[in-house]
Amino acid sequence: DTGVSQDPRHKITKRGQNVTFRCDPISEHNRLYWYRQTLGQGPEFLTYFQNEAQLEKSRLLSDRFSAERPKGSFSTLEIQRTEQGDSAMYLCASSFVGAGTGELFFGEGSRLTVL
Amino acid sequence: SQQGEEDPQALSIQEGENATMNCSYKTSINNLQWYRQNSGRGLVHLILIRSNEREKHSGRLRVTLDTSKKSSSLLITASRAADTASYFCATDTGANSKLTFGKGITLSVRP
Repeated sequence: DTGVSQDPRHKITKRGQNVTFRCDPISEHNRLYWYRQTLGQGPEFLTYFQNEAQLEKSRLLSDRFSAERPKGSFSTLEIQRTEQGDSAMYLCASSFVGAGTGELFFGEGSRLTVL
Repeated sequence: SQQGEEDPQALSIQEGENATMNCSYKTSINNLQWYRQNSGRGLVHLILIRSNEREKHSGRLRVTLDTSKKSSSLLITASRAADTASYFCATDTGANSKLTFGKGITLSVRP
């Protein structure tokens, strides 16, 4: 068990460019979550998957954002036409869900800076 | 939207003292969880308390839950400099099984 891994850890991009983040969850976990965290704030929910199905998307997830989890394994979060307001830490978490939400295991995050 | 609100926003104590952090929430919950985050890192789960539990212990951590007041507290006893971090409460309402986090408490433990 190597934990949740995220790549890249840091990304600096110019406004208008596209960026993609990858998350590899803990292998036996069936749920995968994306959160966004800005400085001094708590994580804000973006979306989650159960296996390969995307079950919920936050209103924060504009149409410039898209997330996938093909084959129910790793997930990608793509941001198109980045804006300065997209600068944040993007956190991925996974869990094994039986009845209710248990403990989430977080990755170290991908920090995005949009210039 | 963030359901949980932690109090205080920042706490500074001397090593060896106890740290008490509070969390209030708005809607009924299945469980409430506390997480810790070191600067620039991911979050680490500390403890989970279910809605039918009133108190739970884990090492130097003690968490209480009062569902009638919609509040929880986290007590860290005999604090250490290594406890310096941000602490977040997170609620699971069970409706769609995602956690909603508060804004967090910044704890500084002076050596």
